[in-house]
Amino acid sequence: GEDVEQSLFLSVREGDSSVINCTYTDSSSTYLYWYKQEPGAGLQLLTYIFSNMDMKQDQRLTVLLNKKDKHLSLRIADTQTGDSAIYFCAESHGMDSSYKLIFGSGTRLLVRP
Amino acid sequence: DAGVIQSPRHEVTEMGQEVTLRCKPISGHDYLFWYRQTMMRGLELLIYFNNNVPIDDSGMPEDRFSAKMPNASFSTLKIQPSEPRDSAVYFCASSLGLAGASDTQYFGPGTRLTVL
Repeated sequence: GEDVEQSLFLSVREGDSSVINCTYTDSSSTYLYWYKQEPGAGLQLLTYIFSNMDMKQDQRLTVLLNKKDKHLSLRIADTQTGDSAIYFCAESHGMDSSYKLIFGSGTRLLVRP
Repeated sequence: DAGVIQSPRHEVTEMGQEVTLRCKPISGHDYLFWYRQTMMRGLELLIYFNNNVPIDDSGMPEDRFSAKMPNASFSTLKIQPSEPRDSAVYFCASSLGLAGASDTQYFGPGTRLTVL
């Protein structure tokens, strides 16, 4: 079935690295996404990775994909207080009329000064 | 581009009233999505359109919910009659396509609906 799972909460100290993990079940997913949601706002796309890639780096963000284990992670280097938000992992599933973007439940990241 | 625009940002209504939520997608995007976010159920896809045509409405909770897209730049989600359990944040999103990097969805700021 379709399922994306994330841990609910992560707390880190400012300046440390944060690693947010996600597992998914659909091995046919083409793209996997990380979205960020700040309080009272919509979801903002942070980055995505194509399923034939192992890693993608974008400034402070590093995405690692282990397709064998269906495990996706987002590493934020030098975490800042402005990074405090909820982070959602999502996978694309199906095509045409069966298409869905399946979201995890979100990981709340708290950055302590 | 201004991004996806939703209105109103907040809506408070009484049970039994009709509620209409509005969305303007990003210009040129062929796909429009309506989501509902609650603490209990997370983010759920309600319905999506391709070129103004509804493609999958299997996520619409019940007949009280309806969505329309009369043209490429406007969509509505209507709840009639509304119930307290409909209280949630409703997001609209749009994308260029469904395959490749073009299926990246861009979200609006959401409408927070409270039904008393």
